[in-house]
Amino acid sequence: DAKTTQPPSMDCAEGRAANLPCNHSTISGNEYVYWYRQIHSQGPQYIIHGLKNNETNEMASLIITEDRKSSTLILPHATLRDTAVYYCIVRPYNNQGGKLIFGQGTELSVKP
Amino acid sequence: DAGITQSPRHKVTETGTPVTLRCHQTENHRYMYWYRQDPGHGLRLIHYSYGVKDTDKGEVSDGYSVSRSKTEDFLLTLESATSSQTSVYFCAISEGAGFETDTQYFGPGTRLTVL
Repeated sequence: DAKTTQPPSMDCAEGRAANLPCNHSTISGNEYVYWYRQIHSQGPQYIIHGLKNNETNEMASLIITEDRKSSTLILPHATLRDTAVYYCIVRPYNNQGGKLIFGQGTELSVKP
Repeated sequence: DAGITQSPRHKVTETGTPVTLRCHQTENHRYMYWYRQDPGHGLRLIHYSYGVKDTDKGEVSDGYSVSRSKTEDFLLTLESATSSQTSVYFCAISEGAGFETDTQYFGPGTRLTVL
């Protein structure tokens, strides 16, 4: 599985956009980029995933560079409830029984 | 949120006793997973199931067994609990394992303490 690199922590002002970067320079052509977050003491929550096109859903936007070596998760209007650890994960599709490898993630603190 | 419940949510037990954790889903998803989360190790896969009575080992399966007799329930058993199995246990489900069906959704977790 490809490795990912994320900054250990970031701050964001409430109401502003939070841009969380992820480097995955060894990603393979059959690997997706997934983002999850984990709020303290809760189970990981799926946010979004993509292969090579930018994706948007009700929670966030995912911007993947053309060479697919990095991506950015964007929370357009961060709230205090978005304070969590955010994990960027790469994994192949058609990965029967494949585990998700959670790295250290980025601890996002949204401040008033 | 995916319909996943775990029971119990908290448990304290003693070394050597058997423990069973239950994961229940209402999504009729085929795949179910058990992970454990420990400081410094992230989430690690223990076992997973790809259908009723079909299970396989993950990366940290020693000391654990699983069973799946119904689509909706996946049980994790610690036959003889040890202190090293003190952890937070998460269940996850996915619709399938193929293209666009393998997104995993997690339950709320069970905090297990083995004294």
